[in-house]
Amino acid sequence: AQRVTQPEKLLSVFKGAPVELKCNYSYSGSPELFWYVQYSRQRLQLLLRHISRESIKGFTADLNKGETSFHLKKPFAQEEDSAMYYCALSGGGGSSNTGKLIFGQGTTLQVKP
Amino acid sequence: GAGVSQSPSNKVTEKGKDVELRCDPISGHTALYWYRQSLGQGLEFLIYFQGNSAPDKSGLPSDRFSAERTGGSVSTLTIQRTQQEDSAVYLCASSLVGSSYNEQFFGPGTRLTVL
Repeated sequence: AQRVTQPEKLLSVFKGAPVELKCNYSYSGSPELFWYVQYSRQRLQLLLRHISRESIKGFTADLNKGETSFHLKKPFAQEEDSAMYYCALSGGGGSSNTGKLIFGQGTTLQVKP
Repeated sequence: GAGVSQSPSNKVTEKGKDVELRCDPISGHTALYWYRQSLGQGLEFLIYFQGNSAPDKSGLPSDRFSAERTGGSVSTLTIQRTQQEDSAVYLCASSLVGSSYNEQFFGPGTRLTVL
């Protein structure tokens, strides 16, 4: 079964502290992994995706196929990082790849001053 | 340019009534998705359109839910005989084509409250 698990509903850190938002997945095949972010009163938007291997707003995420994890990390949290973060997967190559996203439950990141 | 738009932004209805939610995707995007965001269930996939056809309806929770897309553009999600458990934020997203390699752009959502 396809599933994304984000074990923490809420993560609270102080400004300047490192942040790691956990994400584990189960999928038979090679999925594409994403992190989406929703800031207060804004629409859901893509933060980063595994295939791009990029760092956005200081965030990075490494795909660990052995542990089936795609944790999101940032070395120094900023107050403006406070938001809801969703990990998501989508089917990899092949005819089953419609792009539909399977989301985790989301983690609220609260960065305190 | 214009992003994905949805209407209405808020809808309050009585249990048992039918509701229609509308999505206007980004012009030129052939793929359109509906998702539901609720407190208990998080973000769930409902249905995927490629053009006007819906090859994946696997997320629709019951036969009270239906959706259509016309002209390869606007989509309408209809919920018949609404129940309180239908209360949620309904999100629409579009992408250039239906593939995990194409970014999905989300609308602001329609908040549905069933009394």
